[in-house]
Amino acid sequence: RKEVEQDPGPFNVPEGATVAFNCTYSNSASQSFFWYRQDCRKEPKLLMSVYSSGNEDGRFTAQLNRASQYISLLIRDSKLSDSATYLCVPSGGYNKLIFGAGTRLAVHP
Amino acid sequence: EAGVTQFPSHSVIEKGQTVTLRCDPISGHDNLYWYRRVMGKEIKFLLHFVKESKQDESGMPNNRFLAERTGGTYSTLKVQPAELEDSGVYFCASSQDGQKWETQYFGPGTRLLVL
Repeated sequence: RKEVEQDPGPFNVPEGATVAFNCTYSNSASQSFFWYRQDCRKEPKLLMSVYSSGNEDGRFTAQLNRASQYISLLIRDSKLSDSATYLCVPSGGYNKLIFGAGTRLAVHP
Repeated sequence: EAGVTQFPSHSVIEKGQTVTLRCDPISGHDNLYWYRRVMGKEIKFLLHFVKESKQDESGMPNNRFLAERTGGTYSTLKVQPAELEDSGVYFCASSQDGQKWETQYFGPGTRLLVL
């Protein structure tokens, strides 16, 4: 079983749509949680941290359910520039990052 | 401020040869991490330096991989001898204090192809 499970997609959505991604993680000892974004052939870049109380950053909302070991990301009003792979990333020991394989999003006009 | 840099950007070598990858973290960042993505798989942790000391090397696949960070500045990752399954993208990341919510900043990666 993978440490982080994500639906690989692709999610093909029109501009302006709302799209949600989910992931589950297996390490109950994970202390911190992140969503990273990765563009094609580029490095991962932090999109947002995910706190237990849930948090929002503009059009992006992240939720964490520790009991279910489940993390979600909601993107509202999708833009063409949101097209990328979204990586669910809980931490492991000593703050190493444990990456999911990612969910691909393609936003079309 | 300069980001994390990695050299070379690409490397093509033959099986059995040696390759050394270099990472320069963001200035002042004590924590340096190596990760890699092999074809079709997710990004996997290799090891973590705090200054010049190895904090966690649990992800190093075998003893053909040697990482160093002499002086606590830049780091090198040497693969000797390289095998076909070592092909992939090697990312380096750095963070300042290593605290649990701290952002790790990634370099552009080195794409390694072993033939």
